[in-house]
Amino acid sequence: DAGVIQSPRHEVTEMGQEVTLRCKPISGHDYLFWYRQTMMRGLELLIYFNNNVPIDDSGMPEDRFSAKMPNASFSTLKIQPSEPRDSAVYFCASSFFPQGSVHTEAFFGQGTRLTVV
Amino acid sequence: TQLLEQSPQFLSIQEGENLTVYCNSSSVFSSLQWYRQEPGEGPVLLVTVVTGGEVKKLKRLTFQFGDARKDSSLHITAAQPGDTGLYLCAGARTNAGKSTFGDGTTLTVKP
Repeated sequence: DAGVIQSPRHEVTEMGQEVTLRCKPISGHDYLFWYRQTMMRGLELLIYFNNNVPIDDSGMPEDRFSAKMPNASFSTLKIQPSEPRDSAVYFCASSFFPQGSVHTEAFFGQGTRLTVV
Repeated sequence: TQLLEQSPQFLSIQEGENLTVYCNSSSVFSSLQWYRQEPGEGPVLLVTVVTGGEVKKLKRLTFQFGDARKDSSLHITAAQPGDTGLYLCAGARTNAGKSTFGDGTTLTVKP
């Protein structure tokens, strides 16, 4: 397996534009996580899915952010409209077991570096 | 809110030195993980500890989970430039589904 695949690796967009980040989890993993990483706030969980169903979206900063998982092999994180303060590295991760399980390991993608100007 | 505080925030040492980084919380966790993140990459899991007082060793890295399962430490012996990176701890409660990450310790090991 190639691991968690994210695209694009880098995205530069103008304020007000729609941005869509994409993620392909590892096949067979039932849990998918979207994180945002900044110097100021560290690594924050935005939302996670179990079997394609959103379980906890309490980390989504505001209504401008939305995430979908239409099937087990694909997820998107959309920001509309984007703002400069959304600039960050966005990570997708997947795992077979839930976090908190003895056996769990989250596998992270390489991230998407988003810059909103 | 489960808050994990890591210290120090930044650490710069010479090759061959020993170091310890800490991860502290007022909350009890059922499991605690340590990840290492290199520039331009996502975090990679190093270890999971689940039992209070547990000690795990991974080559030159020694991980300890506090007796009360509220804190953890990572000790590196004879650090090498390849150890350079961001070290993150992450705590979770049993089958909580999600983990809380600390702010990380940025380690630089100079040759």
